[in-house]
Amino acid sequence: DVKVTQSSRYLVKRTGEKVFLECVQDMDHENMFWYRQDPGLGLRLIYFSYDVKMKEKGDIPEGYSVSREKKERFSLILESASTNQTSMYLCASLDGSGWNEQFFGPGTRLTVL
Amino acid sequence: GENVEQHPSTLSVQEGDSAVIKCTYSDSASNYFPWYKQELGKGPQLIIDIRSNVGEKKDQRIAVTLNKTAKHFSLHITETQPEDSAVYFCAATLSGGSYIPTFGRGTSLIVHP
Repeated sequence: DVKVTQSSRYLVKRTGEKVFLECVQDMDHENMFWYRQDPGLGLRLIYFSYDVKMKEKGDIPEGYSVSREKKERFSLILESASTNQTSMYLCASLDGSGWNEQFFGPGTRLTVL
Repeated sequence: GENVEQHPSTLSVQEGDSAVIKCTYSDSASNYFPWYKQELGKGPQLIIDIRSNVGEKKDQRIAVTLNKTAKHFSLHITETQPEDSAVYFCAATLSGGSYIPTFGRGTSLIVHP
């Protein structure tokens, strides 16, 4: 059974803290994505990566960075968390052809106090 | 870039009724159109998809239609059941090109028993 796993389901952090969200996929997919999901706004792309050590900004990269040191792992970093980063964060992976489905993780609900 | 509009944002039906969710896209080059279902507390999961060389696709109670000329595609669910209650997302992708899906904002479907 293919899987995308995320390190935490729920996370509570303080303003100004550095936050790491981890995502691991076991499908040997080239492409990985980080989305933010807010009510009424759908899925907004933060960053994506099409290969190890490669990254591209999505639609809302401000306040975030990413790291992809290994093919299976894609990390989202909030350098200094702010209350407006309280949200649901979803990781996804996709094979190189682009014709197939994205596989999503279960999400991390981050609350920044 | 691509822009995907999805309507309605909320849809409430009685069990056994049909439900229709509509999406329009802006980039005529898009050629792959997946639909995802997100149940409460889970990540989105693909339920059906359609490629631009096909006008309609059906899988049991779910069907998707594509009108390339008008640049719109729709999800049809017949004989709705309470377990169909979820958020549904449409997306448009240029496979073979950027392959980064552009998502609609989602439709919250509520099926009343």
